[in-house]
Amino acid sequence: DAGVTQSPTHLIKTRGQQVTLRCSPKSGHDTVSWYQQALGQGPQFIFQYYEEEERQRGNFPDRFSGHQFPNYSSELNVNALLLGDSALYLCASSPTEGQGETQYFGPGTRLLVL
Amino acid sequence: KNQVEQSPQSLIILEGKNCTLQCNYTVSPFSNLRWYKQDTGRGPVSLTIMTFSENTKSNGRYTATLDADTKQSSLHITASQLSDSASYICVVPLYGGSQGNLIFGKGTKLSVKP
Repeated sequence: DAGVTQSPTHLIKTRGQQVTLRCSPKSGHDTVSWYQQALGQGPQFIFQYYEEEERQRGNFPDRFSGHQFPNYSSELNVNALLLGDSALYLCASSPTEGQGETQYFGPGTRLLVL
Repeated sequence: KNQVEQSPQSLIILEGKNCTLQCNYTVSPFSNLRWYKQDTGRGPVSLTIMTFSENTKSNGRYTATLDADTKQSSLHITASQLSDSASYICVVPLYGGSQGNLIFGKGTKLSVKP
């Protein structure tokens, strides 16, 4: 049973470019959340997708957008990249709402913006 | 303000010794608290998840405690091993549920020396 997978593992972009990160949830999970983790900081919630719709959103600008596909996989898109967008981007999946259900995290995509 | 604060920021111990990490939270409403272990550059891995009715929960050499009255939790590591070197992150879901926005502490960076 594969866990949460993310691609690519590393990515280098320049300011102003656009990037797409991908996530496949753990088998049986239908909810995907995205987090940004700057170096030395805890992850910050970007948004969550369920049934192909954005269900919740953190304090991130509209440059950050996402999508969820019918197979529950998800993409995170970031437009007009800034140097400050350099971070580890984590995807987490979980099953449909259930008290005490934990989220399973992928290995992350490390983005460097030059 | 919904926050999760951890102490100490970093900790160095000798292999075989015990240690205790602290977490204070102000997230409301509260339903559960999670401890994650995160190796450098990797996604967090769940250690324990505790609901408000649980006072203690163990996972091998890891024992978590929760005092919902004082809004404090601790993670005790027994007989530390070199592989325990990692960041330990305390996490509380916002909106009181298992889904949704997770509020992360900044973590305690533990180094276990031989």
